[in-house]
Parts: sequence; structure tokens; C-alpha cells
Amino acid sequence: AQKVTQAQTEISVVEKEDVTLDCVYETRDTTYYLFWYKQPPSGELVFLIRRNSFDEQNEISGRYSWNFQKSTSSFNFTITASQVVDSAVYFCALRPIIQGAQKLVFGQGTRLTINP
Amino acid sequence: SQTIHQWPATLVQPVGSPLSLECTVEGTSNPNLYWYRQAAGRGLQLLFYSVGIGQISSEVPQNLSASRPQDRQFILSSKKLLLSDSGFYLCAWSVPHRNTEAFFGQGTRLTVV
Repeated sequence: AQKVTQAQTEISVVEKEDVTLDCVYETRDTTYYLFWYKQPPSGELVFLIRRNSFDEQNEISGRYSWNFQKSTSSFNFTITASQVVDSAVYFCALRPIIQGAQKLVFGQGTRLTINP
Repeated sequence: SQTIHQWPATLVQPVGSPLSLECTVEGTSNPNLYWYRQAAGRGLQLLFYSVGIGQISSEVPQNLSASRPQDRQFILSSKKLLLSDSGFYLCAWSVPHRNTEAFFGQGTRLTVV
């Protein structure tokens, strides 16, 4: 069975602080994808990143960075110098690399609040 | 470019009434289509997915059904709503046979009263 755990239900920080959102996953598949999505107050899910299980290189995109560690089954997301616009619910998700429908298994989400 | 439309944005329905939520995708053909539900304070749960017209797979037993009458149209229905059907419903699409991400619609917030 596949499972994604985001242990942090809510996080609140002051603007300009760095914040890390944790994601731990469980899967028996040897090849899989991991994702992060952002859900702003408007509700739609915005895709942020996809990482496959072959590639453990960390990735940086502007103020966002992702730390993938296969040994600990974690895919953590760090926002540097947070801004109020970063306030949202963030979801980590997992799916195997197979043919057919690309079904995502989501974590419970972390509600991030950036206070001015 | 591809876009996904979902409506209505919000809906308040009495218990026992029918439901029809519609989702359409533009700018692509033969997409994989999905319905997810997000209950209050919880993660997203996959309800249905479809890899082609008339092909529907259900992930969890429930009071809902889905249909795909056209290539880029995905409909979520219920004959009689329950209080437990309240939630935020998201439609999504992805490119078939490609290892890409799924793209989500704006969502429908359903409140059953």
C-alpha cells in the first residue's frame, strides 16, 4: 500500500523566515514519482514540482527548494525568505511510474500561514 | 494551451437531492480524467478516474457515480445526496501514457444541508 504523511498540520511563521514542510512516504514500488502542490485560498491545486525516484538531486527554484532522500523516504520542501503570498495549504503526493491512469496518493496537507 | 473548467464553483443542496458536477478540458485530446474529493481538514481522495469515453473506474465505494459521455467531459453525479457528501470536489486531467503531473480545476465546494 502507498501512503504519504505530512505530520505538520499547520505552520505559522513571520514573513522572511525560512520554513520547511515535511513529507514522508511509504511505497513498495521501486520506481515512483513524488509531487508537491500548492492550494491557495481560491482552492485550485497548483503544481510545484515532480521528482522521480531515480533522481535524488536536490532542486532549487527561486525561493523554493526540495530535499529528496530515498534512504529516509522523505521529500521535504523549504521556502526561503517566506512571503505572505506563500500562505496556502501544501500537499505532497506519490504515484508509481506505470502505464495507465496516473493516480495520485496525497498527504493530508500542511496549512502554512505567513504573517506580515 | 490546455485548460480545465469545472462548475459550479459552489453548491448548497438539501439531503436527498440529486447532484451533477461537470468538468471539461480544452486543448488536448483523450486525456485521463479524475475526480478527487477533499473533506474539511483532510487530504485529497481519488474517487473516480477515466482513461477513455465510457470507461470509469471507481476507487472507493460511495454514494456517487461518474460518467464520461464525451472525450473531454467528465461528470460526477448522485441520485440522492447524503450529509457526508459535503466537501470540495476537484477535477483533474493528465496526459495519458506520459509520466507527467496532473492538472487540476478550480474545484466545487458542495455543502449538503
